[in-house]
Amino acid sequence: TQLLEQSPQFLSIQEGENLTVYCNSSSVFSSLQWYRQEPGEGPVLLVTVVTGGEVKKLKRLTFQFGDARKDSSLHITAAQPGDTGLYLCAVMIYNQGGKLIFGQGTELSVKP
Amino acid sequence: KAGVTQTPRYLIKTRGQQVTLSCSPISGHRSVSWYQQTPGQGLQFLFEYFSETQRNKGNFPGRFSGRQFSNSRSEMNVSTLELGDSALYLCASSFSRQETQYFGPGTRLLVL
Repeated sequence: TQLLEQSPQFLSIQEGENLTVYCNSSSVFSSLQWYRQEPGEGPVLLVTVVTGGEVKKLKRLTFQFGDARKDSSLHITAAQPGDTGLYLCAVMIYNQGGKLIFGQGTELSVKP
Repeated sequence: KAGVTQTPRYLIKTRGQQVTLSCSPISGHRSVSWYQQTPGQGLQFLFEYFSETQRNKGNFPGRFSGRQFSNSRSEMNVSTLELGDSALYLCASSFSRQETQYFGPGTRLLVL
């Protein structure tokens, strides 16, 4: 059983469309991170959400942490081909040092 | 500041061989973590090193080992390679434990 369940696993959309990616768990976390990974590269941290109900915006990307701190969502407005990549949510297991646990990822393809 | 570097970037080995991968962290970072990424299992934590000591280990067989040097550079070794070890091996560094991790581009290992 995955600690973090991401959905959908794959998403193929046209440029200009909106989309939402979900990251769910039955556990409560003190913080949650979102990464983006492009082919041939390592994941790059996009944002860390810490407070329940928190909303953070990064240009066309909006991240939300659930009120109960068990889930999070990533919404992209007017997607562009440059948004193509693997989106990963992750949590740090603090009682095990710096161990990161990742969701399975959402593979996003934005076609021009 | 230079990012995390990993060498080699690509490697082809045959079953039964062993392999050593190298990671140079961001200057000043003392914590190095290793992750394995495969299409089926996603990103999984291998181990974490801090101050030349392994602090945490993921659920991998003893064929996977690592070490960290006094300059924080780290190596991981996989002995008696199996086909299932084919993966992208990612290294991440952070200033100290439980802080934001920055990933390298990874070493793609193919076992034939």
